[in-house]
Amino acid sequence: EIVLTQSPGTLSLSPGERATLSCRASQIVKYTYLAWYQHKPGQAPRLLIYGASSRATGIPDRFSGSGSGTDFTLTISRLEPEDFAVYYCQQYGSSPWTFGQGTKVDIK
Amino acid sequence: QVQLVESGGGLVKPGGSLRLSCAASGFTFSDYYMSWIRQAPGKGLEWVSYIDSSSSFTNYADSVKGRFTISRDSAKNSLYLHMNSLRPEDTAIYYCAGISPSGWFFDLWGRGTLVTVSS
Repeated sequence: EIVLTQSPGTLSLSPGERATLSCRASQIVKYTYLAWYQHKPGQAPRLLIYGASSRATGIPDRFSGSGSGTDFTLTISRLEPEDFAVYYCQQYGSSPWTFGQGTKVDIK
Repeated sequence: QVQLVESGGGLVKPGGSLRLSCAASGFTFSDYYMSWIRQAPGKGLEWVSYIDSSSSFTNYADSVKGRFTISRDSAKNSLYLHMNSLRPEDTAIYYCAGISPSGWFFDLWGRGTLVTVSS
């Protein structure tokens, strides 16, 4: 099974700052089949990015994804107040599909 | 709008059983592969099971294989998870999720239902 390690565990930033989140896989993620999700307490998780770099429907362009192989990045160019949340990566290139442990982006 | 609403969670003793339900609306449920994903307290997300649109194929994580059964009723726009032989490590929030027609990622999610396994 592919293990996804996200870093940092917590990112403390101010609104307007840039956030860079990392997701590293224990094996190559086939076909760059990597997704990113945003999750706020008590809410349904939300798909942000799929295929490593394609934004899901309705996702603002301040969210971008990049990477291939074993190293992937989610970038939020300028944090808005509603962006403070936990972010998860997920690989779907190999069974079983696996998630990272999450990066919490909180307000500094 | 698209909605997935889970129900059926609660407190159950080790070795007990529980059935979770997920009511779907706002999209063509019969076209969607569906999945259950869980999150244990203080942990990340863990994929549990999926079922295809016609109930012809199912798959399970090794941690639940032989104990959990996923099913669906397209006439009722509902997804189910039958959980038997529950263990304390099954304690988690269980999310119902729709698998995107574009790939094996999850583009529809519910808010989850909490299952607690404790004596």
